[in-house]
Amino acid sequence: QVKLVQSGAEVKKPGASMRVSCKTSGYTFTHNFVHWVRQAPGQGLEWMGLINPNFGDTTYAQKFQGRVTMTRDTSTSTAYMALSGLKSDDTAIYFCAKSRMYCSSGICFEYLEVWGQGTLVSVSS
Amino acid sequence: SSELTQDPAVSVALGQTVRITCQGDTLRRNYVSWYQQKPGQAPTLVVYGKNNRPSGIPDRFSASSSGDTTSLTITGARAEDEADYYCNSRDSSGKQYVFGAGTKVTV
Repeated sequence: QVKLVQSGAEVKKPGASMRVSCKTSGYTFTHNFVHWVRQAPGQGLEWMGLINPNFGDTTYAQKFQGRVTMTRDTSTSTAYMALSGLKSDDTAIYFCAKSRMYCSSGICFEYLEVWGQGTLVSVSS
Repeated sequence: SSELTQDPAVSVALGQTVRITCQGDTLRRNYVSWYQQKPGQAPTLVVYGKNNRPSGIPDRFSASSSGDTTSLTITGARAEDEADYYCNSRDSSGKQYVFGAGTKVTV
């Protein structure tokens, strides 16, 4: 079955960078986008961006542009999300999710079909 | 603030029906997906598009839409439906996605 397995928890200092991996299996990696979503403690979900594993093109949420980099390795079916210039309010659980396209009446959008287990990143001095 | 507005919390008696709404101008021309999240767990997809459920999601979950508001309805709520529910759709640029702030459902 489809699985997304993320890397383990990290503790970082302010100003540092972090990178979370998302290893996928059970489907053809290049056929579906991978989205990244984060959730600060006690807060809601926040969409960060997506990568098209087929071509490597990305779309980032405006809030993270200039700080986030999403990449992929098609040889290992793994997606990566790197965030630089970490601040304390970047402390959050980071999720990856495989999306699937839905189209009806000429309108298309991506829904998040399967999620990874989440990776806790703590930023503290 | 999010482009998608959800009520912070709703409560429902066991076996009764509850409607969770997601409001935003972009919903007039975009579809929504709904996610359930229980404490300590990753979100799971419950409904997407006009009214589609992934396999394994019970048919007591349904979606409907009118104008700028999309609703997730739980008909015959069960104790295990107690969770946070989030809507997600494209933002006003059409290129990015945005979540609503979430609705805590208490059964």
